[in-house]
Amino acid sequence: GENVEQHPSTLSVQEGDSAVIKCTYSDSASNYFPWYKQELGKRPQLIIDIRSNVGEKKDQRIAVTLNKTAKHFSLHITETQPEDSAVYFCAATATNRRNTGNQFYFGTGTSLTVIP
Amino acid sequence: SAVISQKPSRDICQRGTSLTIQCQVDSQVTMMFWYRQQPGQSLTLIATANQGSEATYESGFVIDKFPISRPNLTFSTLTVSNMSPEDSSIYLCSVGDRLNYGYTFGSGTRLTVV
Repeated sequence: GENVEQHPSTLSVQEGDSAVIKCTYSDSASNYFPWYKQELGKRPQLIIDIRSNVGEKKDQRIAVTLNKTAKHFSLHITETQPEDSAVYFCAATATNRRNTGNQFYFGTGTSLTVIP
Repeated sequence: SAVISQKPSRDICQRGTSLTIQCQVDSQVTMMFWYRQQPGQSLTLIATANQGSEATYESGFVIDKFPISRPNLTFSTLTVSNMSPEDSSIYLCSVGDRLNYGYTFGSGTRLTVV
């Protein structure tokens, strides 16, 4: 099965700086890579995702990059704000057009703290 | 994206008892998933709940301990049976999002076994 590794486990940055979280995966069949943000005591929320036919995707201050050859993908948060403090999980799965319910393999999480 | 109502939100249970967690989705979904998240840990898939057939369990999880029901395309239950303190965790249901392929999660059930 798929194995997703995530680094670092904890990350502290000054407000306004950038934060980068990296994940690697093992299964070359994986083609969809979402990122989730989980605030304390709340459910994980999808914040951005990328499919394997795209190398980079950006949504305001958040971007994700994918290197299929190296099997790694990264989350980039620019101009960090205190409200970005949360645990971030990467995930990987292999999807097809007919089935939207494939199993997701989650990374171990990164606890991000943005220091005001 | 789908809206999921999960209950109870939390419970404190005596060891040896069972707790049933419910998830109701506001739209029909093919598959629902049940995850466990232990404190400070990542999400571990327990099983996939299939409508009209038995649930598919991941390694380390068995039907006798975590029976699942999926009576229709909008509802599922997970029962944590014969509980021990090691079962203390957050349990989350989730569904696939047809538009974005991402998961939507229920609000979670924080279970404490004493």
